[in-house]
Amino acid sequence: DSGVTQTPKHLITATGQRVTLRCSPRSGDLSVYWYQQSLDQGLQFLIQYYNGEERAKGNILERFSAQQFPDLHSELNLSSLELGDSALYFCASSVAGMQADTQYFGPGTRLTVL
Amino acid sequence: ELKVEQNPLFLSMQEGKNYTIYCNYSTTSDRLYWYRQDPGKSLESLFVLLSNGAVKQEGRLMASLDTKARLSTLHITAAVHDLSATYFCAVDITGGGADGLTFGKGTHLIIQP
Repeated sequence: DSGVTQTPKHLITATGQRVTLRCSPRSGDLSVYWYQQSLDQGLQFLIQYYNGEERAKGNILERFSAQQFPDLHSELNLSSLELGDSALYFCASSVAGMQADTQYFGPGTRLTVL
Repeated sequence: ELKVEQNPLFLSMQEGKNYTIYCNYSTTSDRLYWYRQDPGKSLESLFVLLSNGAVKQEGRLMASLDTKARLSTLHITAAVHDLSATYFCAVDITGGGADGLTFGKGTHLIIQP
């Protein structure tokens, strides 16, 4: 157990809908990262937050957005969902968001879009 | 664009044998990460390699980093069934600050008794 929690574990929804994925980092970690894992794209970095501020952006679609709250938990919002958004979404956290930090991954949320 | 290539992508080996997984990356970086993923599970951090020539060992796994060759290796010694998993290497996307990781496609390792 990495200490990173994610809810829900599974999510099934329909195309065109909007969902919110939630992540709580390890105690003491200030940085949160979101990743998407799918069979065709592999593991892709989406976005990073550090202490409430957006720090870096990866291959995140415009339909997706995220935020980190004062208590350091983070939410990833996915809207106008398409079949291709079906994937495993991981949240990771690290202490200070510096390059040498180990990123600890949560258990993931499996999203299925029908 | 940073590219991270692992090979092989699939490896089936017998218990007791030794083998090496290779990870090549396309731009300068002196920080390389190895993760393990079991089917349907999350990623578990194995090694963080922070400088040229870095070598780390944990049990039957040993990882090394050659930043000049832009190559990292994960060596498995006397493999056992419990090491069956998918192994990913990953590199920081840029050198300028804290960013997400770029992952290789993973090496799916099956160790047969």
